[in-house]
Amino acid sequence: AQKITQTQPGMFVQEKEAVTLDCTYDTSDPSYGLFWYKQPSSGEMIFLIYQGSYDQQNATEGRYSLNFQKARKSANLVISASQLGDSAMYFCAMRGPNRDDKIIFGKGTRLHILP
Amino acid sequence: DAGVTQSPTHLIKTRGQQVTLRCSPKSGHDTVSWYQQALGQGPQFIFQYYEEEERQRGNFPDRFSGHQFPNYSSELNVNALLLGDSALYLCASNTQGLLQPQHFGDGTRLSIL
Repeated sequence: AQKITQTQPGMFVQEKEAVTLDCTYDTSDPSYGLFWYKQPSSGEMIFLIYQGSYDQQNATEGRYSLNFQKARKSANLVISASQLGDSAMYFCAMRGPNRDDKIIFGKGTRLHILP
Repeated sequence: DAGVTQSPTHLIKTRGQQVTLRCSPKSGHDTVSWYQQALGQGPQFIFQYYEEEERQRGNFPDRFSGHQFPNYSSELNVNALLLGDSALYLCASNTQGLLQPQHFGDGTRLSIL
């Protein structure tokens, strides 16, 4: 069975600093996708970044990068130069390779950016 | 390019009533999934629809049912509402192709009195 673990319930970070949100996963599938979503207090789930299990390079999207360490089964999200608008709940998620595979989520990390 | 749209935004019901939530997928997407998110928790998968059929189902009772229409839009129906059904209900869509991310709507916040 697939599992996502986020061990940081909450984090406080000073504005403009970089922040790393931890995510570890477990799966027996050789092919899978890893995702990070941001959920502001308003509730919408915003897709941030994606990493495929066979991708050789770490994914990057603007200020977001995914530190993918396959052997350790970790997929940490790095946010560079944090901004006040980054304050939100962040979810790590995983999906298997089959068409009908569901996406499973971790419990999330609440990030607070301090001015 | 319209993203995933859900209606209504908010809904208040009483115990025992029935509710229907609606979702239109992102343009080009043909697969719709529904999630329930209780306060302070991660989303929990309810079910997924593709080609107008339920393809996968999470650990939810039969009170939760759904439908997908030929235009790929979807409905989530919940019968005999319980207080514990109060949650944010999220719809997500994705396209064909392996490992495609799901894009979410803004959700419907359902409150049961």
